[in-house]
Amino acid sequence: GAVVSQHPSRVICKSGTSVKIECRSLDFQATTMFWYRQFPKQSLMLMATSNEGSKATYEQGVEKDKFLINHASLTLSTLTVTSAHPEDSSFYICSAARQGRGTEAFFGQGTRLTVV
Amino acid sequence: QKEVEQNSGPLSVPEGAIASLNCTYSDRVSQSFFWYRQYSGKSPELIMSIYSNGDKEDGRFTAQLNKASQYVSLLIRDSQPSDSATYLCAVNKDFGNEKLTFGTGTRLTIIP
Repeated sequence: GAVVSQHPSRVICKSGTSVKIECRSLDFQATTMFWYRQFPKQSLMLMATSNEGSKATYEQGVEKDKFLINHASLTLSTLTVTSAHPEDSSFYICSAARQGRGTEAFFGQGTRLTVV
Repeated sequence: QKEVEQNSGPLSVPEGAIASLNCTYSDRVSQSFFWYRQYSGKSPELIMSIYSNGDKEDGRFTAQLNKASQYVSLLIRDSQPSDSATYLCAVNKDFGNEKLTFGTGTRLTIIP
């Protein structure tokens, strides 16, 4: 499978600060990346679709000013959680889509964010 | 009706037996189908993709797709304790749209 690297894997921050999470596709170019959030024992919740060179598309109920997404190149997308609050504590996972016969999506390792 | 439905389980299977995981989807225009495995505290890992009706085998895994019945399944032969995980079914509606719709996952436990 393809390799998608996400960094950091774990971060603890204080309320009110911002946290940036990076997602890189290491061995293929990804025009589209996706950002998910997952709470314990729940399924993945798609937050937004990140498109290289254009604005991200946010899912209903996701605040675009709070979760800033930048897709600067064909191999890098970043998610910045601004003014973090304890309720933002969650497991954030990115995926990158690789075009082929179909479009296979490969996930990064995930980032466990704890806001204290 | 959910777009992608899976039995949440837990599904318990003895070691060495065949584990059968099922998934149904509601949108007939769906084109691509995927199975992901997710260990507790980890991110999902792609294990199978299938695009045409019928069976697709890869090692101990077999994916089965029936578009007429809007049904996709995953069989795991010779189940091992390391197969214990949550299995997520994902569906892509068309080749021009890369967004996946996930089921809620089936938790599988292999009993030694």
